[in-house]
Amino acid sequence: DVKVTQSSRYLVKRTGEKVFLECVQDMDHENMFWYRQDPGLGLRLIYFSYDVKMKEKGDIPEGYSVSREKKERFSLILESASTNQTSMYLCASRSTGLWGYTFGSGTRLTVV
Amino acid sequence: KQEVTQIPAALSVPEGENLVLNCSFTDSAIYNLQWFRQDPGKGLTSLLLIQSSQREQTSGRLNASLDKSSGRSTLYIAASQPGDSATYLCAVFSGGGADGLTFGKGTHLIIQP
Repeated sequence: DVKVTQSSRYLVKRTGEKVFLECVQDMDHENMFWYRQDPGLGLRLIYFSYDVKMKEKGDIPEGYSVSREKKERFSLILESASTNQTSMYLCASRSTGLWGYTFGSGTRLTVV
Repeated sequence: KQEVTQIPAALSVPEGENLVLNCSFTDSAIYNLQWFRQDPGKGLTSLLLIQSSQREQTSGRLNASLDKSSGRSTLYIAASQPGDSATYLCAVFSGGGADGLTFGKGTHLIIQP
């Protein structure tokens, strides 16, 4: 079975900390995505990448950055965590073409 | 800009009933549509993917239909079970690069034993 693995299910971080969320896929997919999900707001795209070392801003990139040094790994970075970044973070990947998305199991981040 | 609406937002039915979840989208120029299931506190599990050239897809007790011209999709669940309780999300891929996936807000489904 194809897999997208997020390294942490739950994280608690302090305000101002630098936070790394890691995502690894084993499907050789070109495209990878980071979403956040909040009650009432649904899923919102933060950043995506269509190739190694390439990145594009999504709908809500402020306060975040990303890194994609290898094809299988896409990292989301919170440069200085704030309480309004408390959320569920979901990583996804997709092959180029008209294929569906595969999501990871999510990381519930709480910033205190 | 593509918008996806799911109705109803919540649904509670007794076990054994057949049910239909609805998804509508404003721009019919889509490449495909994907239905997901999300259990509380978990990630998204893909249920069905319908390409724009297809009218429906089936997997077990699930059947998803697509009518591009009217901007609608339905997810039919036959003989519902308590284990079907989850939030069901509809998402459309409109192309425009790698970022063209637009989600609905979901239907929260409860199957009463």
